[in-house]
Amino acid sequence: GAVVSQHPSWVICKSGTSVKIECRSLDFQATTMFWYRQFPKQSLMLMATSNEGSKATYEQGVEKDKFLINHASLTLSTLTVTSAHPEDSSFYICSARDRYYSNQPQHFGDGTRLSIL
Amino acid sequence: AQSVTQLGSHVSVSEGALVLLRCNYSSSVPPYLFWYVQYPNQGLQLLLKYTTGATLVKGINGFEAEFKKSETSFHLTKPSAHMSDAAEYFCAVTRGVNNDMRFGAGTRLTVKP
Repeated sequence: GAVVSQHPSWVICKSGTSVKIECRSLDFQATTMFWYRQFPKQSLMLMATSNEGSKATYEQGVEKDKFLINHASLTLSTLTVTSAHPEDSSFYICSARDRYYSNQPQHFGDGTRLSIL
Repeated sequence: AQSVTQLGSHVSVSEGALVLLRCNYSSSVPPYLFWYVQYPNQGLQLLLKYTTGATLVKGINGFEAEFKKSETSFHLTKPSAHMSDAAEYFCAVTRGVNNDMRFGAGTRLTVKP
């Protein structure tokens, strides 16, 4: 089955640093990937839609200059949390849609837990 | 706009008992509906989905759900709960399977021995 890999799975860093999270589709190509954020005991909230070769589409209230998204290839999207602060601590999950099997649902990664000290 | 409402943030059942997790949706167009399960510190695993066709859909681990348009519902059921079913369950909707997904608030299922 289709596999989406997220890296790292867990990261702890100091306030003010930038953190990059990778989302890779391992055995399929994805023109569209999605980034979600999940706070403890809450649901997943869509942050942005990542489009290969073009700018990401951000949801209302999500700062595009803080959460930089790059989707430079058909198998990789990255989310960079710039100048991270404790309130950015969360569980970040990506998903990817197979470009050739558009009738199939998104495939989710295992998530990245980000802790900002 | 599409949205889902999950009734009950926490459901507790005894092992072997029926599991019923409720989900109601709102959509201006025919929806695609999904149920996912999430274990602690892990991503989402698809349990089942409804797109078109048969309204009763069967998924993995013995779960099933029925799409009821008249009730705008897509409740998840399992005849007999197992301890390993304890997890967080999310109902989700898209306008079509190609579009972004909107999740419900989630229901935490606890299974008592």
